Amino acid sequence: QVQLAQSGAEVRKPGASVKVSCKASGYTFTGHYIHWVRQDRGQRLEWVGWINPKSGDTNYAERFEGRVTMTRDTSINTVYMDLSRLRSDDTAVYYCARDLCPLTNCYYFYMDVWGKGTTVTVSS
Amino acid sequence: EVALTQSPATLSLSPGERATLSCRATESVGHLLAWYQQKRGQAPRLLIYDASKRATGIPARFSGRGSGTDFTLTISSLEPEDFAVYYCQQRHDWPTFGQGTRLEMK
Repeated sequence: QVQLAQSGAEVRKPGASVKVSCKASGYTFTGHYIHWVRQDRGQRLEWVGWINPKSGDTNYAERFEGRVTMTRDTSINTVYMDLSRLRSDDTAVYYCARDLCPLTNCYYFYMDVWGKGTTVTVSS
Repeated sequence: EVALTQSPATLSLSPGERATLSCRATESVGHLLAWYQQKRGQAPRLLIYDASKRATGIPARFSGRGSGTDFTLTISSLEPEDFAVYYCQQRHDWPTFGQGTRLEMK
């Protein structure tokens, strides 16, 4: 079945970086954009950005520009999100989610399949 | 940035009752709005997109309507598994989410 399997929980100190992985299975990896969305301790959801697994093109929310990098490895159907210069307010659950659009090089910004989430805790 | 405000914050109902949840945008988003359900400890689940289209596998008791700035999600007859938090999300601009409505069992 269609699945996104995320890496395990991480703890980092302020100023450090974290890299979270998301492995896709059950569908054509290059056929759907992947979004990253985070949920903070107040349960607010925030879109971080997307990556096109086919081309590697990315688009990031303005507030994360310069701190986030999304990459992919098509040989293992995996996308990565790297967030640097971590602050305490980056503490959140980070989800990868598949875009609903079934066409190559297309995105709707609706997310139909989600990973289980990766908890990132930033604390000194 | 388009902000979304959901109401009420909490809705207390019993199984079998009808639930109506609201989402209001600070500017028109056309029909470009989705609804998600999130249960405790789980990821969100897409229910409705483009304001009124049910996602694959979503029961017919879930329906959405609205356009412009005002949207509603209706659950016609609540089942025990429907008690959860519901979020709206717009894609007219960069994606933003509402703060959620908690649907709890009375």
